[in-house]
Amino acid sequence: AQSVSQHNHHVILSEAASLELGCNYSYGGTVNLFWYVQYPGQHLQLLLKYFSGDPLVKGIKGFEAEFIKSKFSFNLRKPSVQWSDTAEYFCAVTFMNRDDKIIFGKGTRLHILP
Amino acid sequence: GAVVSQHPSWVICKSGTSVKIECRSLDFQATTMFWYRQFPKQSLMLMATSNEGSKATYEQGVEKDKFLINHASLTLSTLTVTSAHPEDSSFYICSARRDRGLREQYFGPGTRLTVT
Repeated sequence: AQSVSQHNHHVILSEAASLELGCNYSYGGTVNLFWYVQYPGQHLQLLLKYFSGDPLVKGIKGFEAEFIKSKFSFNLRKPSVQWSDTAEYFCAVTFMNRDDKIIFGKGTRLHILP
Repeated sequence: GAVVSQHPSWVICKSGTSVKIECRSLDFQATTMFWYRQFPKQSLMLMATSNEGSKATYEQGVEKDKFLINHASLTLSTLTVTSAHPEDSSFYICSARRDRGLREQYFGPGTRLTVT
């Protein structure tokens, strides 16, 4: 069955540190890939998405992600985090044989120390 | 563009009553909408796929008679939690898939349901 895995459940970093959150999926076919962020008490917001083309995707707030098809991965990166990046981050995948359903990973809680 | 709204944003109801939550795509047509449930500090779990003009498709383990879904128009889907119990308390989020172009999904702000 198709699934989405986020390996880091809770990450703590200091401001200005570099960030990389892992995301892997299990499916050999066509996928659309997303990263969403949920700030404390707020609703889901789209950070970035990959549908096709350049596998290095740039999103809002300085985030980027790279789709590596051979590794079934779509890791999220940011070179220098800020305290305001404290939030929950969800990787999500649409498996194109499942009627466009979006399957979410379990999420990574990111805590930035000031 | 591509705004999805939910109403209400927050609702408290007594155990045994029913609650209806609306999901609207404000500036695009959405033949397909999705309903998710999110427990505190957990991820979103897909509950069902709502199809305009036809029956919803429920995920395994989701009670069809408990969570009634009606997709009456190209811009509106409703989720009714029937005979609500405290364990139904959760955050319910909908998304609407644009009918044209990349068929991207857009998420609503969510509805927090508390059953007392």
